[in-house]
Amino acid sequence: GQSLEQPSEVTAVEGAIVQINCTYQTSGFYGLSWYQQHDGGAPTFLSYNALDGLEETGRFSSFLSRSDSYGYLLLQELQMKDSASYFCAVRDGNAGKSTFGDGTTLTVKP
Amino acid sequence: KAGVTQTPRYLIKTRGQQVTLSCSPISGHRSVSWYQQTPGQGLQFLFEYFSETQRNKGNFPGRFSGRQFSNSRSEMNVSTLELGDSALYLCASSLDGGTGHKGVSGNTIYFGEGSWLTVV
Repeated sequence: GQSLEQPSEVTAVEGAIVQINCTYQTSGFYGLSWYQQHDGGAPTFLSYNALDGLEETGRFSSFLSRSDSYGYLLLQELQMKDSASYFCAVRDGNAGKSTFGDGTTLTVKP
Repeated sequence: KAGVTQTPRYLIKTRGQQVTLSCSPISGHRSVSWYQQTPGQGLQFLFEYFSETQRNKGNFPGRFSGRQFSNSRSEMNVSTLELGDSALYLCASSLDGGTGHKGVSGNTIYFGEGSWLTVV
């Protein structure tokens, strides 16, 4: 079966850098995605890695190592609005069929 | 362009009843998938439709079903509701999502705001 592991909670202060790790076990692998979800809102796409390495999008970066079945999301210059849940998801077939981790709740404190 | 639209946003049903949820994907998107999210839990994949055909199915009982229409709009139905079916049901659409796509555009799925179902 498919499984993803990520920390359940992370706390950091404004302006800091935080890294959310994700390890996965899947029968097939086409890429690792990250989603942000604020309370009561819909998950929104942050980044996608199909190949090893770092992808940077503004304050957010995502890294993938396929040999280690591992990835991380790096958030820099944290802002209060970054307080949310962050999900890693593995695409193990068609894009619409993704397996999600249980999510990491990030709390940013002043 | 308009995002993924789900209706209704909130609904309350009684155990044993059935419910139908609707989803209109982003214009041009042919893949529609459904996920269940319970409080504090991750997203559990229900099924995915592409060109009116169910392409993938998750590990949910047969009470959960869906369909897709020729305009890519999708519905999901839950029959004989149980208390444990109370959840946020999310619909997501993607441009194509075929396994040949490697780029971001083919792999990004866009979620609707969801339908909050409460079973009492």
